[in-house]
This record gives sequence, structure tokens and C-alpha cells, in this order.
Amino acid sequence: AQSVTQPDIHITVSEGASLELRCNYSYGATPYLFWYVQSPGQGLQLLLKYFSGDTLVQGIKGFEAEFKRSQSSFNLRKPSVHWSDAAEYFCAMDTGRRALTFGSGTRLQVQP
Amino acid sequence: ETGVTQTPRHLVMGMTNKKSLKCEQHLGHNAMYWYKQSAKKPLELMFVYSLEERVENNSVPSRFSPECPNSSHLFLHLHTLQPEDSALYLCASSQGDSLNEQFFGPGTRLTVL
Repeated sequence: AQSVTQPDIHITVSEGASLELRCNYSYGATPYLFWYVQSPGQGLQLLLKYFSGDTLVQGIKGFEAEFKRSQSSFNLRKPSVHWSDAAEYFCAMDTGRRALTFGSGTRLQVQP
Repeated sequence: ETGVTQTPRHLVMGMTNKKSLKCEQHLGHNAMYWYKQSAKKPLELMFVYSLEERVENNSVPSRFSPECPNSSHLFLHLHTLQPEDSALYLCASSQGDSLNEQFFGPGTRLTVL
């Protein structure tokens, strides 16, 4: 079955610290992968996407993600977190079926 | 207006009411989507419209009825809903119906009493 797993429901980091949010997928081939962010009361905004090529993908707001086929992972990273990064983060994949399959999300809290 | 807009932003309705959610995209896209976001559950795709034709209906109960009169507008008509239908309903659009970035609206927070 096709699925996206985000093992961490809730993460708290200090402002200025580094961040890594985990994402694992289950699919028989290489999917197209996305990270979205949702601030309270807002819709989802695309941070970055991986279709093919370089496995390290740069996105907006200083985020990057690395695709690792051997681990079926697409983890999101940021070297230094800002208070404005507090939000919910969703990993998603597109297998060409006209739909995105989303993970259940990771809520990020940033401590001053 | 830019991007994807949704109205109303909040809606409270009784189980016997009929209401409609509206979505409008100002991006020139040709595919539109309805998603349901419930607490503690992943986003669930409900419907996909491509070139104004419904191409996906993800086993959604008939009390939800979508309508896409043109490529810029998408509606979700609601009737005889249940309390478990309370959720955030998100609309999205994209250019093409697959493998393209989807742009999301802010959502309508629906509460069914």
C-alpha cells in the first residue's frame, strides 16, 4: 500500500538550533515528494519538491530536504530555526494518480 | 484577490441544514481539488476536477456534492451532515491534474452540531 509516515507528531526546538523532520514513504517505485507547511488558520504552502536528479533539494525559507532511496526517506532540515518557523509540516507524495498522499504531519514548536 | 480563496472561512451548521462552500482560484489553473483535514488524521482527498470534469471521487458520502461550473470556481454542497464531518475543508488548484504543485486555499472550518 502507498503511504507516507511522519514518525514525530510534535517536536520542540530552541530558536537558532538545527531541525530535522522525518518522512518515510512506502511505494513500489520512486515517487514525487513534497514538503508543505501550514501555519495556524492558513492553507498549505509548498516548501520544496523532489522529482528527480540531485537528491538534495533546496526550498524556500532556508529549508532543504534529502531524498534517500535506500531508506525510503525524504527528511526536511533547516540549520537554524526561527520563531516564525513554528507551524505544522506535512510530507506528501504523488504517484501519478491525480492525488497527493499526505503524512499525518509534525507540529513544530520553537522555544525562545 | 490572488491565489486560492475560500468562503466562508468558518461555518457552523445543524445536521438538517444545506450549505455550500466556495473556492475560487486566480492562477489560471485547470485542475481543482477538495481535501478534508480532520484532527489527528492525514489530509484526505475528496474530489478532483480536471478541465471542469470530475476525475476522482474518493469514496465520499453523497451528502457531499461537488460542482465545478468553470475552471476558476469549485463548490462543495453540503446537506444532512453528521457531527463527524466537522473538519477543515481545503481547496487546492494546479496546472494539470498530476505531478504539479498544488496551491492551497486557507480552508473553511466547518462545525456540524
